[in-house]
Amino acid sequence: QSVLTQPPSASATPGQRVTISCSGSSSSIGNNHVYWYQQLPGTAPKLVIYRNNQRPSGVPDRFSGSKSGTSASLAISGLRSEDEADYYCASWDDSLSGWVFGGGTKLTVL
Amino acid sequence: QMQLQESGPGLVEPSETLSLTCTVSGGSINGYFWSWVRQPPGKGLEWIGYIHDSGSTNYNSSLKSRVTISVDTSKNQFSLNLKSVTTADTAVYYCAREIQLRVWGQGMLVIVSS
Repeated sequence: QSVLTQPPSASATPGQRVTISCSGSSSSIGNNHVYWYQQLPGTAPKLVIYRNNQRPSGVPDRFSGSKSGTSASLAISGLRSEDEADYYCASWDDSLSGWVFGGGTKLTVL
Repeated sequence: QMQLQESGPGLVEPSETLSLTCTVSGGSINGYFWSWVRQPPGKGLEWIGYIHDSGSTNYNSSLKSRVTISVDTSKNQFSLNLKSVTTADTAVYYCAREIQLRVWGQGMLVIVSS
C-alpha cells in the first residue's frame, strides 16, 4: 500500500489531454512539494515535474503539474505515442521523515 | 552532464548482504545528497535512503535495521549495503542524485536466490 494514491491506469488518444491524480495527506503533499517521474518501458525513471509545477530543462511544455491542498495532478496535453509510460508522483512525508511514492499510473496512448 | 552507474553482484544468496556501488561521472560528488531507490519486478518504486557527502544519512524506516549507505568522495562513489536479504529484496536498484531524484542511474537488477 503506497503512501500516495494514484489511479493504476489512464488512457487517451493522440492529441488529447490526460490528467493523472495523486492524493496524499497533510504530512506529505499538504506540506511539501510534489515531484513527477516518467518511466518508459525498460528504462530508469526520469524527472518531468519538480516543485509541483516546474519543468526540468528538456521536458516539453506539454507536461504540466499542479497542486491543491493534499492532492496534485500531472497533465499531458497534445498526447503522443512516446508519452506511453508509467508515471509516479512523489513527495517528502514529515511523519515518516522520508521520501514517499505513489503506486504509479500506467498511461496508454490508444 | 553528470552520469550515474550502478555496479555489483547481480545474484545474492538469501541471508547474505547485498552490496552495490554507484559511480558518479561528469561532476563532483561533493555538495549533493545521493539516494537509492528500488523497484521489484512489475511493481512500483520504493525509496531506500540517502546520504550527504558529509556522511549524514536517512533511511526508510521499513529497511532501517538492515541498510547502510556510505560515501567515498575520493572515488566519487557511494554505496548501498543491505544485509540479511530474502527473495523479497529482488529488485532493480537505482542510484540517484539528490533527495528529489533529479538524475538517475540506469538501474541494476539484483536477484536474491540460492
